[in-house]
Amino acid sequence: QKEVEQNSGPLSVPEGAIASLNCTYSDRGSQSFFWYRQYSGKSPELIMSIYSNGDKEDGRFTAQLNKASQYVSLLIRDSQPSDSATYLCAFHRGQGGSEKLVFGKGTKLTVNP
Amino acid sequence: ETGVTQSPTHLIKTRGQQVTLRCSSQSGHNTVSWYQQALGQGPQFIFQYYREEENGRGNFPPRFSGLQFPNYSSELNVNALELDDSALYLCASSLAGGVGTQYFGPGTRLTVL
Repeated sequence: QKEVEQNSGPLSVPEGAIASLNCTYSDRGSQSFFWYRQYSGKSPELIMSIYSNGDKEDGRFTAQLNKASQYVSLLIRDSQPSDSATYLCAFHRGQGGSEKLVFGKGTKLTVNP
Repeated sequence: ETGVTQSPTHLIKTRGQQVTLRCSSQSGHNTVSWYQQALGQGPQFIFQYYREEENGRGNFPPRFSGLQFPNYSSELNVNALELDDSALYLCASSLAGGVGTQYFGPGTRLTVL
């Protein structure tokens, strides 16, 4: 079982729609979860972090976390063509003093004008 | 902009050569992590440096080594380059003991011929 599973897509939505990105993880001890956006040829950019069960909203983005189901999602409302990118889900693993992020392969999102 | 800088931006080497990549962390951050991102994959943790010492390592051979300097900047060295080392190398800075939030630099694109 992969540590982080994401639907690789591509996910295609029309402009103005809601894009829903999903992620499951294997490490029950994880406490911190992150969504990064990565444009083609660029480095990952942090867009959301979530630590507690439930929803966290930031502008057009909402992250949802369910630790019992080991599931985290990202909703993008009123999707724009500029949201077209690969979205990486990651969890924080802190063991023996080392703090690393474990990433999924990413979901490629295309927002069509 | 995260305040994390990396150099060089692009690099082309031949198999068997050695390479050094550099990273300056965000102001106030004392921890630097290095990741390798192959095409179509999520970033993979190489190692982390804290207080000038390696503080955790991923599944990478010893020919991948690093340093951290008193000003928290860091180097990644790769010896005996192989074709599979071609990737985007990402540096991320963070604050030790936090919730794991890491901010990425722009990356170095390494091509091994």
